[in-house]
Amino acid sequence: AQTVTQSQPEMSVQEAETVTLSCTYDTSESDYYLFWYKQPPSRQMILVIRQEAYKQQNATENRFSVNFQKAAKSFSLKISDSQLGDAAMYFCAYRSGVDQKLVFGQGTRLTINP
Amino acid sequence: GAGVSQSPRYKVAKRGQDVALRCDPISGHVSLFWYQQALGQGPEFLTYFQNEAQLDKSGLPSDRFFAERPEGSVSTLKIQRTQQEDSAVYLCASSFWTGMSNQPQHFGDGTRLSIL
Repeated sequence: AQTVTQSQPEMSVQEAETVTLSCTYDTSESDYYLFWYKQPPSRQMILVIRQEAYKQQNATENRFSVNFQKAAKSFSLKISDSQLGDAAMYFCAYRSGVDQKLVFGQGTRLTINP
Repeated sequence: GAGVSQSPRYKVAKRGQDVALRCDPISGHVSLFWYQQALGQGPEFLTYFQNEAQLDKSGLPSDRFFAERPEGSVSTLKIQRTQQEDSAVYLCASSFWTGMSNQPQHFGDGTRLSIL
């Protein structure tokens, strides 16, 4: 079974600075998809960014980018120019190419210091 | 609204009672998912529907958990004879089409279930 590990339970960063959240996963599959979701106190999971495993180019969405290292099975999220609204729980998630369910990591709580 | 709608937002029940949680997916979304999120943890998959067909229920923790989607839109997650370990946030998600695995899942706000 696939597993997703987030080794940083909590992270903090100064407003306007850059922070990187770590994620590793374990799979024997070659076709899969990776996601980062943000969960504010309102509880709604919001998609931040996604990456297809077959794409070598790292995904970017405005201030959010990933460092996808397929051989190392690593999928870190970089947030540039951190804003107070970025404060939330961040979850890394895996989805197989032949399955629909998401497998989530344990989450990282990100705090933004003004 | 245009998002996934879940009700109730909070539910308190006594141990042994039955509860029903409702999910109204985004209009036109074929796939519907239920996840269970314990306090301080990541969500865990419970079950998945494609239209009215329940294609995967491998994550349901016991036969006390039952989910249905009879007309392929609204879904209900029912928990019978609730136990304290059932206390969690129950998240519902929907996605547009099953043919492309990179279609994102859109989540509702969840139902926080507390069993006393």
